[in-house]
Amino acid sequence: AQSVTQLDSQVPVFEEAPVELRCNYSSSVSVYLFWYVQYPNQGLQLLLKYLSGSTLVKGINGFEAEFNKSQTSFHLRKPSVHISDTAEYFCAVVGFQKLVFGTGTRLLVSP
Amino acid sequence: GAGVSQSPSNKVTEKGKDVELRCDPISGHTALYWYRQSLGQGLEFLIYFQGNSAPDKSGLPSDRFSAERTGGSVSTLTIQRTQQEDSAVYLCASSLGHGDQETQYFGPGTRLLVL
Repeated sequence: AQSVTQLDSQVPVFEEAPVELRCNYSSSVSVYLFWYVQYPNQGLQLLLKYLSGSTLVKGINGFEAEFNKSQTSFHLRKPSVHISDTAEYFCAVVGFQKLVFGTGTRLLVSP
Repeated sequence: GAGVSQSPSNKVTEKGKDVELRCDPISGHTALYWYRQSLGQGLEFLIYFQGNSAPDKSGLPSDRFSAERTGGSVSTLTIQRTQQEDSAVYLCASSLGHGDQETQYFGPGTRLLVL
């Protein structure tokens, strides 16, 4: 079975500071991992995905994530955040066409 | 617009009434998914369509929930005899193919409130 743990429910950070949102996964099948972002009252937008190959994945809006098989992690990072990055971020693993999501991390960027 | 669309965007209903939620996937996408997002349960899978058939209905929470897809395109999620615990945001997604590697693209959701 697949599962995802996002340890931080909320991460406050100042504008232009770096940020890391943590994600750990468990999967009994091939590992395909996703990060989605949800802005208020909107649906989910794909930030990036890991299917295979390079463990460092670059996504939209300056985000990147690193797949670490030994630590079963897929942490999301951004070197310098903007106010507009304030949103909820979901890590997900897929198995048999179903996305299994973590509980989400709310990123709060303040000036 | 080329994205997934859902209607209505908001729905308020009384307990015991039936509701229908509609999803228009991205044109040409063969797979369609329904998820539910609620405060207590987070994001959870409901049902998946490949074409017009539903190989996986395992996430439907009760027999009050049903879904269909016609013409390989539009899908309708029906909730009969709504209960207050059905209040949630219902999200639809579609993907070009049906493998695990496919990216699922989400619509804006339908916010359902059962009074």
